[in-house]
Amino acid sequence: DQQVKQNSPSLSVQEGRISILNCDYTNSMFDYFLWYKKYPAEGPTFLISISSIKDKNEDGRFTVFLNKSAKHLSLHIVPSQPGDSAVYFCAATNYGQNFVFGPGTRLSVLP
Amino acid sequence: EAQVTQNPRYLITVTGKKLTVTCSQNMNHEYMSWYRQDPGLGLRQIYYSMNVEVTDKGDVPEGYKVSRKEKRNFPLILESPSPNQTSLYFCASTFSTGPNSPLHFGNGTRLTVT
Repeated sequence: DQQVKQNSPSLSVQEGRISILNCDYTNSMFDYFLWYKKYPAEGPTFLISISSIKDKNEDGRFTVFLNKSAKHLSLHIVPSQPGDSAVYFCAATNYGQNFVFGPGTRLSVLP
Repeated sequence: EAQVTQNPRYLITVTGKKLTVTCSQNMNHEYMSWYRQDPGLGLRQIYYSMNVEVTDKGDVPEGYKVSRKEKRNFPLILESPSPNQTSLYFCASTFSTGPNSPLHFGNGTRLTVT
């Protein structure tokens, strides 16, 4: 049973618009959440994270929102750019003992 | 340049022939781990190591071995590979376990077992 779920395998967005990627988790012991971006033929790279004591973290065009009661987080990218086209992985951890990743969402930003 | 280096990038082998995928990091990270990526399943942790001589099983350890004799190296060993171990493998490291310490990944090793 997957502890971290990303129910949308793919998402297409027009350049300049907002991209919203969603992630749900089942383990209430997770206390730290991360988003990674992956381009083909490369390893995942860290994008943004949020601690369970916060409900929002912002870094430039990227904002992550956490709703602990719903066990849900989302990544907002505004404005979306063609270079944002990649696979995005949501990950969760309990103090780094074990990083659990979701299956990923492939984002395509159309010019 | 700070990086995690995996070798080889591509490997084709036959069932039962022992192989090792090497992983090395130059960031003095304590924590290292191995993942496999399969379609629809994302990244699943195979083994991780909190420090030298300390290793633990992840979610899918069957058929794999690891060792951590030095801080910088964390090889993944397949004693008797099988076709279901055909996958894309990633090594990762981080300075410490906890907030503000994300994983740094290598570029991956694509393994095919026939």
